[in-house]
Amino acid sequence: DQQVKQNSPSLSVQEGRISILNCDYTNSMFDYFLWYKKYPAEGPTFLISISSIKDKNEDGRFTVFLNKSAKHLSLHIVPSQPGDSAVYFCAAYDYKLSFGAGTTVTVRA
Amino acid sequence: KAGVTQTPRYLIKTRGQQVTLSCSPISGHRSVSWYQQTPGQGLQFLFEYFSETQRNKGNFPGRFSGRQFSNSRSEMNVSTLELGDSALYLCASSLGTGGEVHEQFFGPGTRLTVL
Repeated sequence: DQQVKQNSPSLSVQEGRISILNCDYTNSMFDYFLWYKKYPAEGPTFLISISSIKDKNEDGRFTVFLNKSAKHLSLHIVPSQPGDSAVYFCAAYDYKLSFGAGTTVTVRA
Repeated sequence: KAGVTQTPRYLIKTRGQQVTLSCSPISGHRSVSWYQQTPGQGLQFLFEYFSETQRNKGNFPGRFSGRQFSNSRSEMNVSTLELGDSALYLCASSLGTGGEVHEQFFGPGTRLTVL
């Protein structure tokens, strides 16, 4: 069963605008949530994480929001840049990482 | 600091054969986890090794096994290969203890093709 879900397989955004990626989870035992970025033929690159005791974490252009009551998290990228074009995975940690299916982001010039 | 390295990067095997993949974690990291990525199933957890012991295991058959050495390097072995084992195998390292235990850093992966 898929405990972490990314319901949008793709997202297209104009350069300079905000990208918002969403993720839902079902397992209330997850205590950390992470976002990874992946280019073809490479391993996932860690972007940002958030503890379940927080509701927001920022790192430069990346902000992750966590809504525990809704079991929902989102990643905001502001401003979006062409180099952000990649597949983004949401992951949740209990004793292992469980991944969503990924969202392919395309940043248009 | 050097990242996670995996060898080989590409492998082609035939059904019934066995294969061994290698992973060298980031220096100072004691935990190594293995994941399988396929188009149909996405990224699936195989197992985690910490201090030479398997600490956690995913839902894969016994044909998939691993081990970790005293220098934290890890190997994964798949015996009696099946066509469905064709995948990208990713290794991830982390400190394994402490507050940042959840932050895993991935290698580039080994692309295994079973013919």
